[in-house]
Amino acid sequence: QSVLTQPPSTSGTPGQRVTISCSGSSSNIGSNAVNWYQQLPGTAPKLLIYSSDQRPSGVPDRFSGSKSGTSASLAISGLQSEDEAEYYCAAWDASLNDYVFGPGTKVTV
Amino acid sequence: QVQLVQSGTEVKKPGASVKVSCKASGYTFTSYGIAWVRQAPGQGLKWMGWISAHNGNTDYAHNVQGRVTMTTDTSTSTAHMELRSLRPDDTAIYFCARVYHVWFGEGGYFFDYWGQGALVTVSS
Repeated sequence: QSVLTQPPSTSGTPGQRVTISCSGSSSNIGSNAVNWYQQLPGTAPKLLIYSSDQRPSGVPDRFSGSKSGTSASLAISGLQSEDEAEYYCAAWDASLNDYVFGPGTKVTV
Repeated sequence: QVQLVQSGTEVKKPGASVKVSCKASGYTFTSYGIAWVRQAPGQGLKWMGWISAHNGNTDYAHNVQGRVTMTTDTSTSTAHMELRSLRPDDTAIYFCARVYHVWFGEGGYFFDYWGQGALVTVSS
């Protein structure tokens, strides 16, 4: 049972915009940066968003992150078939003193 | 280019220990930490802890503390993760990842480069 909550799945058609929510509490998202990781089937995770809304170089600007209060979200605009993957939010939790991941959201295109 | 290359598949019996290695290249090893994250079959990601390659300081997750030891060998730019008293539910893919600290804004850290993963199977 994760302290971060994500929907198990979402889907969209090519070109659509989808958003993935990540809900937490004051001890994690409410007071710390949120990071997002993309995991394509059978591969290692890849950093997608860091510090809640920053994109590493090489990540398409179709991906964007935001945070408000104790929730964060990842938006994928112009959905493409290669975006089909599992997406995890993550943050430091000051109460648990652990870096926690959300349960993951499977995006189907 | 930054690369983290991990050791191979391991099969262990319950009660045994396993040591997974992670060889870094393409950057100054002692300028970053190494985190370990595991993923049980069909499950999500779980942080196990991290080690500073600069000074060897560690921070372990509560659910493995007491059974895990993370070390680094700066002469070979390699990080190691040893897990003892293995149980069947330790069966997972173990990933190493480079830790990037953020010293402004909200601070914190994230994992910007990942190893390919090492499968550890615990079975009698």
